Amino acid sequence: DIQMTQSPSSLSASVGDTVTITCRASQDINNFLNWYQQKPGKAPKLLIYAASNLESGVPSRFSGSGFGTDFTFTISSLQPEDFATYYCQQYDDLPPITFGPGTKVDFK
Amino acid sequence: QVQLQESGPELVKPSETLSLTCTVSGDSISNYYWSWIRQPPGKGLEWVAFMYYSGSTDANPSLKSRVTVSLDTFRNLFSLKLTSVTAADTAVYFCAGSIERRGNWFFDLWGRGTLVTVSS
Repeated sequence: DIQMTQSPSSLSASVGDTVTITCRASQDINNFLNWYQQKPGKAPKLLIYAASNLESGVPSRFSGSGFGTDFTFTISSLQPEDFATYYCQQYDDLPPITFGPGTKVDFK
Repeated sequence: QVQLQESGPELVKPSETLSLTCTVSGDSISNYYWSWIRQPPGKGLEWVAFMYYSGSTDANPSLKSRVTVSLDTFRNLFSLKLTSVTAADTAVYFCAGSIERRGNWFFDLWGRGTLVTVSS
């Protein structure tokens, strides 16, 4: 199985901050990586697909980049509704698809 | 607008079978790839299994021997059976879909999830 790691596991930020989360795969996954946002008690929501493509309807302050094993997810100008947990997910080598352990973004 | 609703027993005894159903409304179930994804309380996401109306299916190798998934294209239902459950199977189980024209593994449709607790 491909192992996904995320850093940091949690971070505290303020409204207006730029937040960056890193996701690393244990082997090359090309650009086969998605990013999700999950709020407490809710289902995840797809934000970025294929590493850098913004899902329809998702605000442009969310962005993703990377290829191979190292990926970055950025929220520019953090908004109150962005406080949540973010997961990366690989779909290159399967089964199984695997998710990162998550990064919790909370209020400083 | 496509909506998903998971249903099934909230409490299952150890060694018994967990059975869940995802009811899809608003579109044909044949237009999507379907997966079950679970999340133990306070933990991360784990993919369980997928199925497509063509019959294509696969499961997480860690669960494969205990998992059966099925699609009822007439009633628009996606189902999961997980046998010989233990406390480690306690989780919120989500039904998730990827629209066919995009391909599998882009989960842009999710149910609200249902918490299944394994306990005697």
